[in-house]
Amino acid sequence: EVQLLESGGGLVQPGGSLRLSCAASGFTFSNYAMSWVRQAPGKGLEWVSGISGSDGSTYHADSVKGRFTISRDNSKNTLYVQMNSLRVEDTAVYFCARRASGRYYYLDYWGQGTLVTVSS
Amino acid sequence: QSVLTQPPSASGTPGQRVTISCSGSSSNIGSNTVSWYQQLPGTAPKLLIYSNNQRPSGVPDRFSGSKSGTSASLAISGLQSGDEANYYCAAWDDSLSGYVFGTGTKVTVL
Repeated sequence: EVQLLESGGGLVQPGGSLRLSCAASGFTFSNYAMSWVRQAPGKGLEWVSGISGSDGSTYHADSVKGRFTISRDNSKNTLYVQMNSLRVEDTAVYFCARRASGRYYYLDYWGQGTLVTVSS
Repeated sequence: QSVLTQPPSASGTPGQRVTISCSGSSSNIGSNTVSWYQQLPGTAPKLLIYSNNQRPSGVPDRFSGSKSGTSASLAISGLQSGDEANYYCAAWDDSLSGYVFGTGTKVTVL
């Protein structure tokens, strides 16, 4: 059974940093690209970052480019996102999700999310 | 700001058919496949439709998707109370080099 478990959320002051983790199990982690998606309170979904399975290619939304860095440790089956220079508008539930294998882009499994609150 | 546009709400009585539209552009829906996600209250999103019209195992055939040009739609037939949720379309955007979601549609069963 595919499982994705996020951790690392919490309260942080504006300008601060936080690192989220996503522990994956139930599949060969290194074979799959992964993503972070966030959802601000009462708002819709926003894709944040993506990383390929093998060559480590990364992609970030313009809203976080230069501040967030996605990475992975295939030996630990874990996905990360390092969030720096956090802003109030980064407050959201952060989900990790697996990109399905194949040519087309879609997210077939999601974790339950971890809440990040940026406030003074 | 979402790149894909959906109506904010849709509703129907039990058993009815509801359709949700998703409007994009040539850089996203026009050149890539569309997926749909269902988010029940207080839960994580769940993949509902992928590659425009394919259902993952376990998704009832009451849910169907289609795409034409730069627009897509999700239809829910035989509406049930358990279908009350937010629904999001999504597609890869070649211009942004990112995955974009729709604005979301809240479905209410009257």
